[in-house]
Amino acid sequence: EVQLVESGGGLVRPGGSLRLSCAASGFTYSSYWMTWVRQAPGKGLEWVANIKPDGSEKYNVDSVKGRFAISRDNAKNSLYLQMNSLRADDTAVYYCARERYSYGHPYFDFWGQGALVTVSS
Amino acid sequence: DIQMTQSPSSLSASVGDRVTITCRASQSISSYLNWYQQEPGKAPKLLIYAARSLQSGVPSRFSGSGSGTDFTLTISSLRPEDFATYYCQQSYTTPHTFGQGTKLEIK
Repeated sequence: EVQLVESGGGLVRPGGSLRLSCAASGFTYSSYWMTWVRQAPGKGLEWVANIKPDGSEKYNVDSVKGRFAISRDNAKNSLYLQMNSLRADDTAVYYCARERYSYGHPYFDFWGQGALVTVSS
Repeated sequence: DIQMTQSPSSLSASVGDRVTITCRASQSISSYLNWYQQEPGKAPKLLIYAARSLQSGVPSRFSGSGSGTDFTLTISSLRPEDFATYYCQQSYTTPHTFGQGTKLEIK
C-alpha cells in the first residue's frame, strides 16, 4: 500500500525556518518524481515544487524561489522541503504527493495527509 | 505562468443530477489536464488524468473531456459522496497550476 506521511509542521515566527519531511512507503520511491502542494486556510491548491527521481532536477513556483528548497534522500525514502524566510502568506497545509507519468502526462496519484505550517508572531 | 479558470465557482445540485464543471487554460495545454476531488479536511484525490483517463478505482460516473484550452468534468448521476470541491490542474509546464476550485453543494 502506498503511503506518504508528512511531518515537521508547526508554528513559526515570520522570518523563521522550518523543514518538512515526507516519509514514503509501499512503492519504489527512487523511481518517482515527487511534489509539494500547499493549501492556505479556506483557499485553493497551489503547486509549490517538484524533484526528479535522482534529485538532479528541481522546479518551484516563483513565490518561493530563493526561500524554499526541495530535496530528497532515496536511501531513506524521504522527501524534504526546507522553508526559510517564512512569511504570513506561507501559512498553509503542505501536502507531499507522488508524481506519476502516463505517456508523458504527469499527474499526482497519491497524496499525504498534510502538515500544517502556521507563520505568525 | 498558465492560468486555469474554472466555472462555476460553486454549484448546487441534487442527488441523481448530471453536472458539468468547466476548466479553461490561458494557453493551449494539449491534454495535460488533471481533475481532483477534495472533501473537507482531507487530501485531494485524483479522478481524471490526461484530460480523459479515469484513475483506477474511480467510479465510471466521472468522465473528462477536452483538449487545447477547454476541458470539462462530468458527473453523470450525482451520489451523496460526490458533494465536495473539484480542482483542475495543468501539467503541461511548471508551475503546475490549479484552477480555483468548484464547490459542489447539495440543493
